Amino acid sequence: SAVISQKPSRDICQRGTSLTIQCQVDSQVTMMFWYRQQPGQSLTLIATANQGSEATYESGFVIDKFPISRPNLTFSTLTVSNMSPEDSSIYLCSEEIAGSVQFFGPGTRLTVL
Amino acid sequence: GDSVTQMEGPVTLSEEAFLTINCTYTATGYPSLFWYVQYPGEGLQLLLKATKADDKGSNKGFEATYRKETTSFHLEKGSVQVSDSAVYFCALRHQGAQKLVFGQGTRLTINP
Repeated sequence: SAVISQKPSRDICQRGTSLTIQCQVDSQVTMMFWYRQQPGQSLTLIATANQGSEATYESGFVIDKFPISRPNLTFSTLTVSNMSPEDSSIYLCSEEIAGSVQFFGPGTRLTVL
Repeated sequence: GDSVTQMEGPVTLSEEAFLTINCTYTATGYPSLFWYVQYPGEGLQLLLKATKADDKGSNKGFEATYRKETTSFHLEKGSVQVSDSAVYFCALRHQGAQKLVFGQGTRLTINP
């Protein structure tokens, strides 16, 4: 198992602003992941964050819109930039343990007005 | 590309009923398969997993068997409880990849 925390747990933001979401894990891990869960939808991987290198983004997601930092092996941030109502989602971080299992944080519920 | 298809919800059952949530996948090779559960207001929790054909994952009374011949990983429980009400996600992880590919989720409601 793993202990993963995210901040904030929820936020309501205005169009055009940016929000930075923090993810803290309780053990040192090489890979952390950021997912988006749009209302009523499944989870989609945004990017993979490796410590010491740039994040790897999935098709349809770009660094300018979702910049990611990974300053050490237990922490990562995801910024949602220049937000629009379409960015309203739950954003989840996860870590990979034992090479095959991902554990997820509680999520950040974002509403953009 | 890889994909996961789950039975559409929502599913509503009475307490102590038998549960099946169907999951089929499309992938090359031998992916690892997972069921995650999302309780109301909470994040995803790993429920069970299987990493090779004919493996059976089990946890909290839930079971799923990796069927390579039918590319399926159906979730079953013999007697559901109200506390099992949640959204269930089937997912796969392809060999050599880190990305999890999720199905669309199935919302389950158990009535007392």
